[in-house]
Amino acid sequence: SQQGEEDPQALSIQEGENATMNCSYKTSINNLQWYRQNSGRGLVHLILIRSNEREKHSGRLRVTLDTSKKSSSLLITASRAADTASYFCATEHTGRRALTFGSGTRLQVQP
Amino acid sequence: NAGVMQNPRHLVRRRGQEARLRCSPMKGHSHVYWYRQLPEEGLKFMVYLQKENIIDESGMPKERFSAEFPKEGPSILRIQQVVRGDSAAYFCASSRGTGETDSPLHFGNGTRLTVT
Repeated sequence: SQQGEEDPQALSIQEGENATMNCSYKTSINNLQWYRQNSGRGLVHLILIRSNEREKHSGRLRVTLDTSKKSSSLLITASRAADTASYFCATEHTGRRALTFGSGTRLQVQP
Repeated sequence: NAGVMQNPRHLVRRRGQEARLRCSPMKGHSHVYWYRQLPEEGLKFMVYLQKENIIDESGMPKERFSAEFPKEGPSILRIQQVVRGDSAAYFCASSRGTGETDSPLHFGNGTRLTVT
């Protein structure tokens, strides 16, 4: 299976703390993307990292990619209650345009 | 610039009826993807279409399910003779065309199908 798997499945932290989520996948990729989903809504794209990149930043988000370990991490710094959502990694695999999504990490940020 | 529009937002069907889900991609996008999501789970890929062509339908059940993206009008996901197991949220996403990689998907807010 190409499907990415996020770890942990659920995470609860206090406002101001950092949140780290991990994603693993099985076959070679063109890129890896992170999405956010608020309850009852569609997914919103957060950040994309290409297979030849190792780290990328966007605001309070930091993404790393280790292609030798087939894994990625998403770090949200100085979390806010509004960051409460589910976070999914998605991989674009070589030779396949459609993204493959993991099962997500449900993040709860307590005010 | 309107985002991806899906309708209806909620759809209730009795077992054996047909469900038709519509998706209008973002302006300028010619690639459409359909995904299915069960509660507390991730998205499962169903089908990828370009205008008038099905590119990848490897995630779509062979029976009862079909999808189209005509030259004019929205993309349609059709489920015939629905069963309770079809109850889920169905999400449509779009992206720019020409086979471009590294292009993020833009999602609609989904259609929640309930089969009674």
